[in-house]
Amino acid sequence: GNSVTQMEGPVTLSEEAFLTINCTYTATGYPSLFWYVQYPGEGLQLLLKATKADDKGSNKGFEATYRKETTSFHLEKGSVQVSDSAVYFCALSDRIQGAQKLVFGQGTRLTINP
Amino acid sequence: DAGVIQSPRHEVTEMGQEVTLRCKPISGHNSLFWYRQTMMRGLELLIYFNNNVPIDDSGMPEDRFSAKMPNASFSTLKIQPSEPRDSAVYFCASSHLPGQGNEKLFFGSGTQLSVL
Repeated sequence: GNSVTQMEGPVTLSEEAFLTINCTYTATGYPSLFWYVQYPGEGLQLLLKATKADDKGSNKGFEATYRKETTSFHLEKGSVQVSDSAVYFCALSDRIQGAQKLVFGQGTRLTINP
Repeated sequence: DAGVIQSPRHEVTEMGQEVTLRCKPISGHNSLFWYRQTMMRGLELLIYFNNNVPIDDSGMPEDRFSAKMPNASFSTLKIQPSEPRDSAVYFCASSHLPGQGNEKLFFGSGTQLSVL
């Protein structure tokens, strides 16, 4: 079945550092890929997505590129801020069934120190 | 748009008591999902509905859990009787149906359940 494996956390960085959170997936066919973010005390919210190979999703300075050859969708940000502290979830879905079949990774907790 | 609304935000109860969690999805969304989040197991899909009809409840842990969606704007997740191992954050989420061009899932703020 489909699955997502994320870099284990927690990850702690200083403000303005470069961020990479690794995500790899196993899926049949051509899934859509997502990063969701969960701020303290809140539900998850969509950060970015990519629906086909070589697509780059971007939002709020975060980027991730859909790499079919390496089955990866790593999240990157050039200069993190304290406000980026949150839990980040990589996810995939069947292109036809969309949110009906979202599979989440285990989440990576990110803490940014001033 | 008010977003997905869940109540209560926090629930503390004693083992054996009945617990009811409530959710109002975003107006116009026809799919509704119940998730459970724990440190040990991460985010688990419990059940989801399309057009108020339960489609997949394979994630419901056992018969003590039940979910209903009597209309398009309201759903409940009930645990009876509750046990300490049910302690978790329960999220409701909603989205458009598949094929409507928007796969985005919108989450509520969750209900923090503690069973003593």
